[in-house]
Amino acid sequence: AQRVTQPEKLLSVFKGAPVELKCNYSYSGSPELFWYVQYSRQRLQLLLRHISRESIKGFTADLNKGETSFHLKKPFAQEEDSAMYYCALKMTGNQFYFGTGTSLTVIP
Amino acid sequence: EPEVTQTPSHQVTQMGQEVILRCVPISNHLYFYWYRQILGQKVEFLVSFYNNEISEKSEIFDDQFSVERPDGSNFTLKIRSTKLEDSAMYFCASSEFSSGRDTQYFGPGTRLTVL
Repeated sequence: AQRVTQPEKLLSVFKGAPVELKCNYSYSGSPELFWYVQYSRQRLQLLLRHISRESIKGFTADLNKGETSFHLKKPFAQEEDSAMYYCALKMTGNQFYFGTGTSLTVIP
Repeated sequence: EPEVTQTPSHQVTQMGQEVILRCVPISNHLYFYWYRQILGQKVEFLVSFYNNEISEKSEIFDDQFSVERPDGSNFTLKIRSTKLEDSAMYFCASSEFSSGRDTQYFGPGTRLTVL
């Protein structure tokens, strides 16, 4: 069963434009959602998680349990935001389910 | 800043051979993980390890896989008899606490190619 869906494999936006990377999940319990980012030639790293309600590098993500979504947003995209973004769901225990990822390209 | 390291960066092996992928987690971390990513597909959880035993494993982690912490620093993933479909990027991660409360730090990965 597909637990995390990222519908866009590729997303291109112009610098300064808003960006939204979509993530939907499937889980009937209390989910913990995360966004991970992988910049070119770098390792996977945590960007943010819903329980922290934080904004990292201008990105925010709100957990919407009604829509089972955890979309990642940034009002003004920067060139350095170009990367691969993965949404991840943690259910009970330590098992993470990752989405297939969205490759974001910010066009100068 | 401390980092998770993995060796080798690329491993090529013949089908049926055993491989051992090595990871050195961050020194004060207590929880360790292995993931894999087949080319073009999503990152998949394999196993988590805590207190010298497997705490959780996915359906992918069958009898041909095993993990070990042979000493105080290394964390290894062994694939007993490799298959073509084991070709993937294997990522090790570690966290200080249980992953929901803490950040998982990923290594750079080992690319395994099975011929």
